[in-house]
Amino acid sequence: AQRVTQPEKLLSVFKGAPVELKCNYSYSGSPELFWYVQYSRQRLQLLLRHISRESIKGFTADLNKGETSFHLKKPFAQEEDSAMYYCALSGYQGGKLIFGQGTELSVKP
Amino acid sequence: DTGVSQNPRHKITKRGQNVTFRCDPISEHNRLYWYRQTLGQGPEFLTYFQNEAQLEKSRLLSDRFSAERPKGSFSTLEIQRTEQGDSAMYLCASSLLGGGAADTQYFGPGTRLTVL
Repeated sequence: AQRVTQPEKLLSVFKGAPVELKCNYSYSGSPELFWYVQYSRQRLQLLLRHISRESIKGFTADLNKGETSFHLKKPFAQEEDSAMYYCALSGYQGGKLIFGQGTELSVKP
Repeated sequence: DTGVSQNPRHKITKRGQNVTFRCDPISEHNRLYWYRQTLGQGPEFLTYFQNEAQLEKSRLLSDRFSAERPKGSFSTLEIQRTEQGDSAMYLCASSLLGGGAADTQYFGPGTRLTVL
């Protein structure tokens, strides 16, 4: 079965603390993994994808095929990082996205 | 505005009525996707088009739902005989397929449907 699991519905940290949002997936084949973010009153937007191997707004994510995980990390959280974060996957040639339930990140001052 | 647009942004209807939503993708994007999102959940795939062709439909999409993309540009999603369980945010996304890698989907603001 194709599935994305985000075990935490809410993650609350203080400004400057490290952040790790967990994502595990189940997929038969070679998936493409994504992190999407939705800030308050804004539309869903792409944060990063694993094939880009780049850091966006200080966030990084490494695809671990052995553990079928794609955790999102940031060493020092900022208040403006507060948002809903969704992990998603698709087939390697694209098509539909399968989303996790989302994790709400709250960064307190 | 060159982003994905959706109309209307909000729709309140009574159970049993038909509703139609429109999505205008980013120009030159050849793929268009529809998702549904309920409170506390991530978006769930409904259907997608490549140009005019509807390539995949989710099992979630009952026969009360129909989507079209007649000229390969905008798309409409119609729900007939609405039920209270249809209340949700309906999201549209578009992408440009090419380059052999998974396409990046760009999302619209969504249409929030409330069925009374």
